[in-house]
Amino acid sequence: GENVEQHPSTLSVQEGDSAVIKCTYSDSASNYFPWYKQELGKRPQLIIDIRSNVGEKKDQRIAVTLNKTAKHFSLHITETQPEDSAVYFCAASDGSYIPTFGRGTSLIVHP
Amino acid sequence: DAGITQSPRHKVTETGTPVTLRCHQTENHRYMYWYRQDPGHGLRLIHYSYGVKDTDKGEVSDGYSVSRSKTEDFLLTLESATSSQTSVYFCAISESLDRDRGDTEAFFGQGTRLTVV
Repeated sequence: GENVEQHPSTLSVQEGDSAVIKCTYSDSASNYFPWYKQELGKRPQLIIDIRSNVGEKKDQRIAVTLNKTAKHFSLHITETQPEDSAVYFCAASDGSYIPTFGRGTSLIVHP
Repeated sequence: DAGITQSPRHKVTETGTPVTLRCHQTENHRYMYWYRQDPGHGLRLIHYSYGVKDTDKGEVSDGYSVSRSKTEDFLLTLESATSSQTSVYFCAISESLDRDRGDTEAFFGQGTRLTVV
């Protein structure tokens, strides 16, 4: 089955800095890579996703990049704000519609 | 937000007792999942369903069973709860937006915090 590794487990940045979270996956058949944000005490919610036929996708301050050859994908957040503080999960889906999640990254943005 | 509701939201139970968690959706999504979330482990798949009466095991299925008798309901049962099953349980639903692309977006319920004492 698919295995998704996510790093770092904790990331602390100053407001205004950039944050990068990296994930690797094992199954070359995976073709869909969503990212979820989970605020404290709330449910995970999709913030951005990328498909295997695209190398990069942006949505305002967040972007995701995908390197299929190396089997890794990354989340980039620019100009971080305190409200970006949350746990972020990457995931990979191989077409069986069952996403496998990474262990999560706790992002802390200091004002 | 997708129409997905979990009940109960919080439960405290004693070791050895049976517990059933319910997930109800109004989105007519094909796939339903149960995950547990524990510190340091992220979201781990317990069981999933790809249709009425069609279910399969995930990576941490021991001690859990599921049933789906209707499209909208997916039940998770702990036959005899143990302290190791203390966790936050999330139900999720999804349906491929485009089967040819093989991708899907998962929507999550609010979660159920279960404590086994």
